[in-house]
Amino acid sequence: EVQLEQSGAEVKKPGESLRISCQGSGYSFTSDFINWVRQMPGGGLEWMGRIDPSDSYTNYSPSFQGHVSMSVDKSISTAYLQWSSLQASDTAIYYCARQQVVNHYYYMDVWGKGTSVTVSS
Amino acid sequence: DIQMTQSPSSLSASVGDRVTITCRASQSISSDLNWYQQKPGKAPKYLIYAASTLLSGVPSRFSGSGSGTDFTLTISSLQPEDFATYYCQQSYTTPWTFGQGTKVEIK
Repeated sequence: EVQLEQSGAEVKKPGESLRISCQGSGYSFTSDFINWVRQMPGGGLEWMGRIDPSDSYTNYSPSFQGHVSMSVDKSISTAYLQWSSLQASDTAIYYCARQQVVNHYYYMDVWGKGTSVTVSS
Repeated sequence: DIQMTQSPSSLSASVGDRVTITCRASQSISSDLNWYQQKPGKAPKYLIYAASTLLSGVPSRFSGSGSGTDFTLTISSLQPEDFATYYCQQSYTTPWTFGQGTKVEIK
């Protein structure tokens, strides 16, 4: 079974750094992009960007460029989303999702359960 | 960025009802339109890609249509497990963008 296992909930203070993870299993991790999607409390879905695990190529949404960074460790089939200095507005649930391509159509087929991040002083 | 606008933002319906949700793009996105379902406290689940292609395991009461800027998601006969929030998402160009969601509630 294809799965994406995300790390547990985090509670941080403003200014702190954080790295959350997303581990793939049941498929060839380097074959498909991993996307990150934010959902703020009571809000909708926002695409943050994606990373190609085969070569670490990244494609960020301008809304998130410079505030987060994405990386992978192929050896353990894990993608990461990282902040160097959290803000209260980063409080949200963060989902990773596998990208599929069929006949040049892209969609996200497998989603992690989400990581809740709370930033509060 | 391409803006995606869904309507309505919410609706109330009864089991067995036919439900239609509309999604409009701010520019043509061909058929690069996906639909997802999200239940409270859960991750989104894929339903449809390429505007009208149902993904494996999705019940046939779900259907999608449209191209260019105007798209619809139809549930032909609403079932209890269909009460959820539905999102459209364009994959025509990055940054990919989602509609604001349509919450389908029990009447």
